[in-house]
Amino acid sequence: DTGVSQNPRHKITKRGQNVTFRCDPISEHNRLYWYRQTLGQGPEFLTYFQNEAQLEKSRLLSDRFSAERPKGSFSTLEIQRTEQGDSAMYLCASSSNKRAHANTEAFFGQGTRLTVV
Amino acid sequence: AQSVSQHNHHVILSEAASLELGCNYSYGGTVNLFWYVQYPGQHLQLLLKYFSGDPLVKGIKGFEAEFIKSKFSFNLRKPSVQWSDTAEYFCAVNGAASGTYKYIFGTGTRLKVLA
Repeated sequence: DTGVSQNPRHKITKRGQNVTFRCDPISEHNRLYWYRQTLGQGPEFLTYFQNEAQLEKSRLLSDRFSAERPKGSFSTLEIQRTEQGDSAMYLCASSSNKRAHANTEAFFGQGTRLTVV
Repeated sequence: AQSVSQHNHHVILSEAASLELGCNYSYGGTVNLFWYVQYPGQHLQLLLKYFSGDPLVKGIKGFEAEFIKSKFSFNLRKPSVQWSDTAEYFCAVNGAASGTYKYIFGTGTRLKVLA
């Protein structure tokens, strides 16, 4: 299966620690998205990349959050000095912008569940 | 600001009942519309999508949705639900035609189908 892959699936960390998540998109997809989802809510947009360029960041994304996609393939999302309010499911998605598929859906990974204790 | 509203947060139906889930969006431009489903313990999967053309779109598992531009709506329907349709359903919008590629999601509707 060459779907979107996220690691780790689960992460428990102590408040104040830094955590990093990885996302491997579908190989031919050049757009990559990060979302956060809490219980009873829909996915909340955090940021997205086209190739290695980070094109948009949500104003909800504090300075403690940073995302990279250095070679336009996999991406990492780092949260520094974690807080209990960061506990959520972090979702990665990818899509393609090839001309024939200018309008396309996003394909989601299984997510990384973060628990800050 | 772009937004999506799903008015039904929890829906409980018996098998064979008909389903309609509401979705309204706020977006100042040409939109693409989507319905995603999340089965328990699984990742978000696409049910159906609308880009252009016939406003009545058919998706997988017997689901369909109708885009009504004048009402900014994209309601999801299924004539006869099954127990296996128990899941959470999310409506989403993006403005790819306008150069905005992020997907904005509603808060979701949790559907429970009783056998």
